[in-house]
Amino acid sequence: GAGVSQSPRYKVAKRGQDVALRCDPISGHVSLFWYQQALGQGPEFLTYFQNEAQLDKSGLPSDRFFAERPEGSVSTLKIQRTQQEDSAVYLCASSLVLGTDYGYTFGSGTRLTVV
Amino acid sequence: DAKTTQPNSMESNEEEPVHLPCNHSTISGTDYIHWYRQLPSQGPEYVIHGLTSNVNNRMASLAIAEDRKSSTLILHRATLRDAAVYYCILRPLPQGAQKLVFGQGTRLTINP
Repeated sequence: GAGVSQSPRYKVAKRGQDVALRCDPISGHVSLFWYQQALGQGPEFLTYFQNEAQLDKSGLPSDRFFAERPEGSVSTLKIQRTQQEDSAVYLCASSLVLGTDYGYTFGSGTRLTVV
Repeated sequence: DAKTTQPNSMESNEEEPVHLPCNHSTISGTDYIHWYRQLPSQGPEYVIHGLTSNVNNRMASLAIAEDRKSSTLILHRATLRDAAVYYCILRPLPQGAQKLVFGQGTRLTINP
C-alpha cells in the first residue's frame, strides 16, 4: 500500500485480556518501529526491527509486551494481561533505509483502551 | 539523547506566517535537526530536516542559527490544516537504530 497500515484502529480490552496489534509497513521498508503515545504526551519508543531482527527492545515497559516481525514485513505487538496503564495509542513507523536523510512514515495508530 | 525545548503552545491566524522556535543548546556537531508534526488522530508526519544550512521544501522552511543552538520552523502561509503538534527532534549520524526521541512539542492553533 501507499502508507503504513495499522489494525485495528480501536481496541477495547478488559483488564487481564491479551491483545495483538498489527502493523503493515510500506513494502520494502527495512526499518520498523513501535511507539506508545499516552494522552497529551509525545510518542515514546518501544522497540525497533531491522528486517526480521529485533535490534532494540529497550523501550518495552515490561515483559508483558512482546513484538515480532517473523518475515521482515508485517509486525505484531502483543500485550499480555493488559492493565489500565497500557491504555494509549500504539504507533508503528517504517523507513526504507537507516540514516538521517530519510524521514519515517507513521501509521495512524491503534487506540487501546483497557477497562 | 540530546534534548530540545519548545513552547507548549502557539496561536496564529490563517494565511499568516508562523515561526515555531526550538532550542537545542546541547546539540553536537553531528546531530541533524528534524521536524515532525502530528495532526489530530494521526501519526506523526515528517516535515523537514537540516544540519547547518537553512532548508526549504514544499511544506515549510527550516532556519538554523549559526551556532546551531536553536532553529525555527517556518510555515509561510498557515492554513487551518496546519493545526497540529509540532515536534523538534535531534538525530545523530547513523550508528545503528535511529529511533526518534519526541518531546512534548508545540501545539499550534490556527484561527480562521
